[in-house]
Amino acid sequence: GAVVSQHPSRVICKSGTSVKIECRSLDFQATTMFWYRQFPKQSLMLMATSNEGSKATYEQGVEKDKFLINHASLTLSTLTVTSAHPEDSSFYICSARDSRTSGARSDTQYFGPGTRLTVL
Amino acid sequence: AQSVAQPEDQVNVAEGNPLTVKCTYSVSGNPYLFWYVQYPNRGLQFLLKYITGDNLVKGSYGFEAEFNKSQTSFHLKKPSALVSDSALYFCAVRDLTFQKLVFGTGTRLLVSP
Repeated sequence: GAVVSQHPSRVICKSGTSVKIECRSLDFQATTMFWYRQFPKQSLMLMATSNEGSKATYEQGVEKDKFLINHASLTLSTLTVTSAHPEDSSFYICSARDSRTSGARSDTQYFGPGTRLTVL
Repeated sequence: AQSVAQPEDQVNVAEGNPLTVKCTYSVSGNPYLFWYVQYPNRGLQFLLKYITGDNLVKGSYGFEAEFNKSQTSFHLKKPSALVSDSALYFCAVRDLTFQKLVFGTGTRLLVSP
């Protein structure tokens, strides 16, 4: 249980193109999903928090027009990197928080396997 | 603001020996604390959490963590390490205002055969 999938797992694109990454909670509903970026040998940097049916909340320094987030349903959030450049190359990880307010899985974030983006 | 500190960049332990990965926290109010593990080129896997209740929390893969309020610590432990436990471990605290996780810098665990 508590499975979060990400697609694609790896993408290589040319500079200037846009890339969409999908994050799905497979066996639970997630009112809130999170997008992180991780640089080699570093911790996770939260980029934005997305809430189903409303606009995402971006962390300071993250360009909302560059990283478009859509949380269209309780099981799907997407991150689109627009006009990608080599400096956007990174490991992107999503997580989903179980919406239940009680039980062992409440208040817990579950993470996807990550997407490795390489921009040439 | 909520924060966690992982004072060790790396922990080395021999297989079969007990392991401890340290975490201290700084919060206002009651802490929601978590441990996650990350294998190379993978996302994070949830190990365990402390919300309330017993100070000793048992989690996945034989791991446990002890919540110590007086020392503001939440160290991760396992009685007998396996080579397959070698990975990157993150401690995290939930920011109750913004409902997001704040991660420590991570500790790399190396278990030698």
